[in-house]
Amino acid sequence: DAGVIQSPRHEVTEMGQEVTLRCKPISGHNSLFWYRQTMMRGLELLIYFNNNVPIDDSGMPEDRFSAKMPNASFSTLKIQPSEPRDSAVYFCASTLGPGTEAFFGQGTRLTVV
Amino acid sequence: GENVGLHLPTLSVQEGDNSIINCAYSNSASDYFIWYKQESGKGPQFIIDIRSNMDKRQGQRVTVLLNKTVKHLSLQIAATQPGDSAVYFCAENLAGGADGLTFGKGTHLIIQP
Repeated sequence: DAGVIQSPRHEVTEMGQEVTLRCKPISGHNSLFWYRQTMMRGLELLIYFNNNVPIDDSGMPEDRFSAKMPNASFSTLKIQPSEPRDSAVYFCASTLGPGTEAFFGQGTRLTVV
Repeated sequence: GENVGLHLPTLSVQEGDNSIINCAYSNSASDYFIWYKQESGKGPQFIIDIRSNMDKRQGQRVTVLLNKTVKHLSLQIAATQPGDSAVYFCAENLAGGADGLTFGKGTHLIIQP
């Protein structure tokens, strides 16, 4: 298996633009997580899905952030409109289920100018 | 405004020596713990895990110790190698594993040649 695949690896966008980050979890994994990593706050859980259903989005910073998982093999994290403070590395991770090891993608480095 | 970065604790050891990285976790209800390694520009990578019904678990060159009384986790790396240089994170998962992993702030391990 290729592991968790994220795209793009790098994204530079202007303030106010919409940004969509993509994730393909490991086949057969039932849970998917979106994390954000910054120097200020470290790794923060934004939202997670079990069997494509959003379970907890309390970590999503604002209404500008939204995430979807239309099927078991694809998820998106959208920021609209983007702001400079959204600049961070966004990671997607997947697991077989609760209480199991999370496998991380390589991340998307987002820069909002 | 002020922009203060996260100052990660740094541990510097000589190549070949053993290293111990410590972590204090926050939730006494957590029952699953993982150590991750993150190299520059990459996503966190699983090293070893331990469940709360154990106090020690060994892998290849790594040992994790869990002290539930004081909510403390440690990672021991034996005979360190240059490739061990990275940031190491401990992560905890609440009982039942319904929530995503909560990560500590990380420790930067530097292996001196």
